[in-house]
Amino acid sequence: SQKIEQNSEALNIQEGKTATLTCNYTNYSPAYLQWYRQDPGRGPVFLLLIRENEKEKRKERLKVTFDTTLKQSLFHITASQPADSATYLCALDEWNDMRFGAGTRLTVKP
Amino acid sequence: NAGVTQTPKFQVLKTGQSMTLQCAQDMNHEYMSWYRQDPGMGLRLIHYSVGAGITDQGEVPNGYNVSRSTTEDFPLRLLSAAPSQTSVYFCASSYGGQNYGYTFGSGTRLTVV
Repeated sequence: SQKIEQNSEALNIQEGKTATLTCNYTNYSPAYLQWYRQDPGRGPVFLLLIRENEKEKRKERLKVTFDTTLKQSLFHITASQPADSATYLCALDEWNDMRFGAGTRLTVKP
Repeated sequence: NAGVTQTPKFQVLKTGQSMTLQCAQDMNHEYMSWYRQDPGMGLRLIHYSVGAGITDQGEVPNGYNVSRSTTEDFPLRLLSAAPSQTSVYFCASSYGGQNYGYTFGSGTRLTVV
């Protein structure tokens, strides 16, 4: 069956460090993978999209990698800040049918 | 731009009642979707639409109907509410589906008693 797994439910790091979140998938062949941020009581907010022919994408302090051989995406936040504390979701689709992972709750401690 | 507007924000239904969750977007997006979010299960796709007049089922469509008569609106109907439909519902829209990110509404928290 198809699965999208995010490596851990929760990740705690110290301010200034780099946070690395993992998204693994099975039985998908996505052309695109997306990352979203969700704060409590709010809808997800789109952060980055990476295509299958792109190894890496950056946006300010965010970096996403996409390895279609390993079926894995890594999401990095460098120089993390307490304001980065949120749940981060990966999402992928094949035919306009977009599915999400359960998310990783990131807490950045001052 | 208001973005994606969902109404109501909160709703309590009795088992067996029906209702419609409203979703409207003012960005001229072709793609629209409905998700439900339950603790520990993430977002699950209920129905989606790639344009006016076109809808399709997602992962968990049973008990829900949709229609897309205009580009702007994508209502979700609960036919006969059940306690298992207690959840937070999100509507989302996108300019080009998988080529672009989705914009989400703020959600409807539904409780079925």
